[in-house]
Amino acid sequence: GAVVSQHPSRVICKSGTSVKIECRSLDFQATTMFWYRQFPKQSLMLMATSNEGSKATYEQGVEKDKFLINHASLTLSTLTVTSAHPEDSSFYICSARSGTVSSGNTIYFGEGSWLTVV
Amino acid sequence: AQSVTQLGSHVSVSEGALVLLRCNYSSSVPPYLFWYVQYPNQGLQLLLKYTTGATLVKGINGFEAEFKKSETSFHLTKPSAHMSDAAEYFCAVSVAGTGFQKLVFGTGTRLLVSP
Repeated sequence: GAVVSQHPSRVICKSGTSVKIECRSLDFQATTMFWYRQFPKQSLMLMATSNEGSKATYEQGVEKDKFLINHASLTLSTLTVTSAHPEDSSFYICSARSGTVSSGNTIYFGEGSWLTVV
Repeated sequence: AQSVTQLGSHVSVSEGALVLLRCNYSSSVPPYLFWYVQYPNQGLQLLLKYTTGATLVKGINGFEAEFKKSETSFHLTKPSAHMSDAAEYFCAVSVAGTGFQKLVFGTGTRLLVSP
């Protein structure tokens, strides 16, 4: 089963409203999680690094005031799309690492969340 | 900076035929390399990864990939395609200095399997 869970899997919101997406690591603690965005039929683009207990680190070109990230605990990170617009419609995916890659553990991805802004 | 190039946005094979999906990487440090599969409207599932050690890596569903440093490649293969293999495949390299957690993805290759 999934070790990283996202909720909701699909959400439709009206333009101008805000929507929150949750990312949970189910059976491990993750001090760092990552948020990616994927446009239809395109690759994943890293948006930001979510750090537990501190501010997120955003990639160049990503508006931090629009995409609010909160890493409230070692198992939960949230992405809030504020004042959403139709161009924010996309597939959002989070990831987290269990253990260390070199030790054989791996990076797990959530199931993704489809956001549609109407 | 690390980067990944996947040659061919679409690859079509017949059921039972060899699958070969190409991935070349660029990295100034020894890379950690990954192949992920994405089924329609779903998240990513890890197929296999290379960190250190044996250069031929076996993954799930009969896939394997070989790390070739001299060719900076990490091509994904499967001896015999199955209809259920039809999906989008992404090659990725981890970014140095991030604890190898941050990934840079290729543009993806859609595998089409015909009966």
